[in-house]
Amino acid sequence: DSGVTQTPKHLITATGQRVTLRCSPRSGDLSVYWYQQSLDQGLQFLIQYYNGEERAKGNILERFSAQQFPDLHSELNLSSLELGDSALYFCASSVPNSPLHFGNGTRLTVT
Amino acid sequence: GEDVEQSLFLSVREGDSSVINCTYTDSSSTYLYWYKQEPGAGLQLLTYIFSNMDMKQDQRLTVLLNKKDKHLSLRIADTQTGDSAIYFCAESKDTGRRALTFGSGTRLQVQP
Repeated sequence: DSGVTQTPKHLITATGQRVTLRCSPRSGDLSVYWYQQSLDQGLQFLIQYYNGEERAKGNILERFSAQQFPDLHSELNLSSLELGDSALYFCASSVPNSPLHFGNGTRLTVT
Repeated sequence: GEDVEQSLFLSVREGDSSVINCTYTDSSSTYLYWYKQEPGAGLQLLTYIFSNMDMKQDQRLTVLLNKKDKHLSLRIADTQTGDSAIYFCAESKDTGRRALTFGSGTRLQVQP
């Protein structure tokens, strides 16, 4: 168990809808990262937060947004969903000078 | 730009050694990682190596780094069926501060 908790485990929704994925980092970790894993794109970095502030952006679509709250949990919001957004979404957390630890992911299916 | 490449598939017999290879392009990469993903599970950190090291050993796992050729390998000794998974190589310029760039993963199949 990595200590990173992601909810829900599975999510099935229709095109055009909006969903929110939640991540609780390991105790003491200030950085949170979101990744998307799909068959055609592999593991793609989306966005990083550090202590509530956006630190880095990767290949995140404009329809997607994220935030990190004062208690350090993070949410990834996906809107106007398309079939191609179906993927496994991972959250990871870390402290400086330590590797990233990943949660078990949320599997999103858009129908 | 950053790019990490791995072969897609490796099949070995139980008890043999497995060697999974990875190449990266960014010469400023300072940390290189191996993660394991079992079916339906998340990414489990196996080991990582700092770029000033040539080798790191941890029980059945041996990581070799050839910085000149930008080549990283993971050797699993006495491979077991429980080692069947996808293995991802990843790189970063700074551990715990920056996102990782991942390879496409190598699927290891262990035949009994």
